[in-house]
Amino acid sequence: EADIYQTPRYLVIGTGKKITLECSQTMGHDKMYWYQQDPGMELHLIHYSYGVNSTEKGDLSSESTVSRIRTEHFPLTLESARPSHTSQYLCASSEYNQNQPQHFGDGTRLSIL
Amino acid sequence: KNQVEQSPQSLIILEGKNCTLQCNYTVSPFSNLRWYKQDTGRGPVSLTIMTFSENTKSNGRYTATLDADTKQSSLHITASQLSDSASYICVVSDRGSTLGRLYFGRGTQLTVWP
Repeated sequence: EADIYQTPRYLVIGTGKKITLECSQTMGHDKMYWYQQDPGMELHLIHYSYGVNSTEKGDLSSESTVSRIRTEHFPLTLESARPSHTSQYLCASSEYNQNQPQHFGDGTRLSIL
Repeated sequence: KNQVEQSPQSLIILEGKNCTLQCNYTVSPFSNLRWYKQDTGRGPVSLTIMTFSENTKSNGRYTATLDADTKQSSLHITASQLSDSASYICVVSDRGSTLGRLYFGRGTQLTVWP
């Protein structure tokens, strides 16, 4: 039922490679987010966007970058992957109203060898 | 410091039984409290959102309560099913910024046995 899609679902790749995690939503939401989640731990916000050409860093320091050229698309890029980047990355979107829920994708599980 | 604490960390119950999960928070100023269900390998799915003026909200067999005075919330699951096995995450939003910053708990891992 989710209208927010993340690809790939799983990625195993070597150190030093450039990686782009894709996230697309079809709900026309202005707000989009990237979270990092490790097993048994809370979600940590790494990037967010209020709309096209708007991007901000979140609470957790991350070496990744994001872009928001189109409303529906919010890709995350790692220029040079390291083992410390191994984690689950979740993308979410929401309406501008604070009392509306976030809709999450099913995540990308990233493993850097 | 704004925090969200959930208990228990994990819980095992038999199919058909009821259970209650707890969430305590120190987030201020408060905007709303959300409960999400996260199945293994999937993204979280919203169950309920409650604002300051709401003290209970139901979604099928899930009923959430909120006591804004004591800063406590609970999620009650009635007549549990095997499909209820998941992590249940409590999330509190503040109203100190346009973004409405979200504070996440670590979740309660619920396992329902047949």
